[in-house]
Amino acid sequence: QKEVEQNSGPLSVPEGAIASLNCTYSDRGSQSFFWYRQYSGKSPELIMFIYSNGDKEDGRFTAQLNKASQYVSLLIRDSQPSDSATYLCAVRGPDSWGKFQFGAGTQVVVTP
Amino acid sequence: GAGVSQSPSNKVTEKGKDVELRCDPISGHTALYWYRQRLGQGLEFLIYFQGNSAPDKSGLPSDRFSAERTGESVSTLTIQRTQQEDSAVYLCASSANEKLFFGSGTQLSVL
Repeated sequence: QKEVEQNSGPLSVPEGAIASLNCTYSDRGSQSFFWYRQYSGKSPELIMFIYSNGDKEDGRFTAQLNKASQYVSLLIRDSQPSDSATYLCAVRGPDSWGKFQFGAGTQVVVTP
Repeated sequence: GAGVSQSPSNKVTEKGKDVELRCDPISGHTALYWYRQRLGQGLEFLIYFQGNSAPDKSGLPSDRFSAERTGESVSTLTIQRTQQEDSAVYLCASSANEKLFFGSGTQLSVL
């Protein structure tokens, strides 16, 4: 079992719709959760992070965390063609020096 | 510089040659990671340095791979006797707190 799991996609989303991405993790002691966006041929860039159960909103992005169920999700509202990218879920281990573990990523394609 | 710097940006080598990849982390960042990303694939963890602690080498795929870091500064990833399956983008990232910042990567092509 991989430590961080994501659906590979591609997830096809009409422009203006909501894209919903999910991620599950195996280490129940994980404390920090991140979403990175990676455009084709580019490096990953941080778009959201969340530490506490519940929702965290930043512009069109909302991260949701449920530690009891060990999943974290990302919602992209009003999806734009520029949101077309691979979204990587990352989880950091329980201690202060916990290692970042990445999922394989979900490819999102926003169609005009 | 302001970001994580990697060099070279591209490296083409012949099978069997050794290569050395360099990473300059953001100043003050205590943690440094190396990842490998094959075309169309996710990030494959290679090695993790945290301050002066012993590095976590659990992701190195074989003894042909090694990495060093001098204090909290530059790191080098060395691949000996390169094979075609080593062709990939090698990404370095550094962190001082909860956020990880990536360099632009080194595209390695082994012919």
